[in-house]
Amino acid sequence: DQQVKQNSPSLSVQEGRISILNCDYTNSMFDYFLWYKKYPAEGPTFLISISSIKDKNEDGRFTVFLNKSAKHLSLHIVPSQPGDSAVYFCAASRKLIKVTPLVFGKGTRLSVIA
Amino acid sequence: DAGVIQSPRHEVTEMGQEVTLRCKPISGHNSLFWYRQTMMRGLELLIYFNNNVPIDDSGMPEDRFSAKMPNASFSTLKIQPSEPRDSAVYFCASTSRPTEAFFGQGTRLTVV
Repeated sequence: DQQVKQNSPSLSVQEGRISILNCDYTNSMFDYFLWYKKYPAEGPTFLISISSIKDKNEDGRFTVFLNKSAKHLSLHIVPSQPGDSAVYFCAASRKLIKVTPLVFGKGTRLSVIA
Repeated sequence: DAGVIQSPRHEVTEMGQEVTLRCKPISGHNSLFWYRQTMMRGLELLIYFNNNVPIDDSGMPEDRFSAKMPNASFSTLKIQPSEPRDSAVYFCASTSRPTEAFFGQGTRLTVV
């Protein structure tokens, strides 16, 4: 049973436009959410995160939105660049007190077309 | 900092052989995770350690899989005997705080 779901395996966006990647979760105990980016033949690298006490976190071109009532988060990339082409993983955890493992979605492959 | 170091980067082995994957976490990190990436299941947790102690190995698929962390700077994931369905990319990650984990570059395992 997947606790973190990324229902779009792939997404294509034109350079300069907005990319929106979506993620849903089922476990209401999750209180910390992250996005990772993965290039081929490399490990996932941390991109941006958000705590459940917030509904938005912004870092440059990247913004993550959290809708707790809908158990949904999204990553917005504006403007999209060809270098953003990668697989994006949504992850969640319970981080209240101690280190616990991240639970990942299956990933969404983003292709930014020049 | 060199980051999380995994070896080998690629491993091709015959079915039935023993395979050992290695990981050196970032110095000072006291939590270590082994993940496996496949097309069907994405990134799934196999096992994790806190302070060298295995905490949860419920993700280990079968008894053929075992993991150890003899000290704070080294961990192994062993598959014996290996099977073609074990073919995947195996990632090690480490962290010292309840936020993001840092991943190694992975080991691509092919069992023929």
